[in-house]
Amino acid sequence: NAGVTQTPKFQVLKTGQSMTLQCAQDMNHEYMSWYRQDPGMGLRLIHYSVGAGITDQGEVPNGYNVSRSTTEDFPLRLLSAAPSQTSVYFCASSYGTSRRETQYFGPGTRLLVL
Amino acid sequence: DAKTTQPPSMDCAEGRAANLPCNHSTISGNEYVYWYRQIHSQGPQYIIHGLKNNETNEMASLIITEDRKSSTLILPHATLRDTAVYYCIVRVTYGGSQGNLIFGKGTKLSVKP
Repeated sequence: NAGVTQTPKFQVLKTGQSMTLQCAQDMNHEYMSWYRQDPGMGLRLIHYSVGAGITDQGEVPNGYNVSRSTTEDFPLRLLSAAPSQTSVYFCASSYGTSRRETQYFGPGTRLLVL
Repeated sequence: DAKTTQPPSMDCAEGRAANLPCNHSTISGNEYVYWYRQIHSQGPQYIIHGLKNNETNEMASLIITEDRKSSTLILPHATLRDTAVYYCIVRVTYGGSQGNLIFGKGTKLSVKP
C-alpha cells in the first residue's frame, strides 16, 4: 500500500489564482480530512469527509472547497488564492471516526501564495 | 471536546526515558487520550492511545492517572530520532465531527546527545 499520497509536494501561486491539492489513499478508508499548519502552530482542520458524497466543514473552512466523489480521493480546492493561505497542507485518513481508529497522514503540500 | 495542556518544550538526554506530561482536567468518561508526534516537516504519526488503563506498545507507554485528569507519555530510551513535537489529544466518541482530531501546539521534545 502506498498509504496517503499528496500532490504536489510544493506549489507557488499568485494571489487570485486557483488550484487543487490532491489527496489519495489506497486503504479503503471511510474518513478523510484536510489540515493546514502555519509556522509554530498545531494543525487546524479545514474540511473532512466521513464517506463518499459526504463532506463537512472543520475549524477553518473559508476559502476552501472539497468534494468526495470516490472513497480514494479527497481533493482540496482553492478558488482564489490569498497570501493568508500560505501554509503546509496535510491530508489524513482512517477507517472511520471511531475512537478506536487512528489516522494516517500524508507527507504534506507546501503552498506559497505571493 | 476536552482541552489539553502541555509544556511548550522539554529536553531529554539520549538513552534516557522521556516523560511528556499532559493535563486534561475536563475529560469526560467516554473520551480517549491520543498521542501523535510530528517529526520536522513530516505528517503527524500516531503513537498510542488509551481510555483509563495504562497502555504500552513498541513505541511508548501511556500512563493515565486514576481520575483521568492527566496522563504521561513515556519514551523509555529516547534517541535523537525521537526529537519531534508531541501532541496530546482528547478525542470524543465516534460519529460525524466528534471523531475529528483537534491539535494544540504540543510539546517540542529535543533529545540531546
